[in-house]
Amino acid sequence: AQSVTQPDIHITVSEGASLELRCNYSYGATPYLFWYVQSPGQGLQLLLKYFSGDTLVQGIKGFEAEFKRSQSSFNLRKPSVHWSDAAEYFCAVSSGGGNKLTFGTGTQLKVEL
Amino acid sequence: DAGVIQSPRHEVTEMGQEVTLRCKPISGHNSLFWYRQTMMRGLELLIYFNNNVPIDDSGMPEDRFSAKMPNASFSTLKIQPSEPRDSAVYFCASSPPGQGWGNIQYFGAGTRLSVL
Repeated sequence: AQSVTQPDIHITVSEGASLELRCNYSYGATPYLFWYVQSPGQGLQLLLKYFSGDTLVQGIKGFEAEFKRSQSSFNLRKPSVHWSDAAEYFCAVSSGGGNKLTFGTGTQLKVEL
Repeated sequence: DAGVIQSPRHEVTEMGQEVTLRCKPISGHNSLFWYRQTMMRGLELLIYFNNNVPIDDSGMPEDRFSAKMPNASFSTLKIQPSEPRDSAVYFCASSPPGQGWGNIQYFGAGTRLSVL
């Protein structure tokens, strides 16, 4: 069965600092990978996705993620964090043949001004 | 497009009462998902439909929960009778047809349910 691990429950960074959120997945074949963001009181919004091709994918709001098959990882990065990035971030994986997503437990990001 | 629309946004009810949550998916989408989010258990998939047919309801916690999708533009999640442990935020999501792109889910704003 597919699974996703987000090892960091909480992360605090200073505004302007770089950010990396970790995500490891378990899946037998090439996965479809996603990062979603949830602002307080809101639903989940898609940040970016990886299906195939270039392993470095760009998303909205200046985020990017890199797929590393050898490490079973899909870490999310941003070079300079803004206070408005404070939110909860979810990594998710899906099989190619179906559209059921398996989500990680989420990482809560706090941004210090 | 208005996105996935859920109603009500907030629901407060007393234990034992019936609760019905509603969802209107994005037009043209053929898959619909119901999730429950709590602090303790995170985001859990309850059930999902494809072309109005329930495909996987293994996440439905017990018989008190039921979901229907009578047509492509409407779904309900019902809890009868409700219990305090059902208090959570319930999300509906929809996705378009096809592989690849069909794996992207678009979420509604959620319904915050409080059972007293």
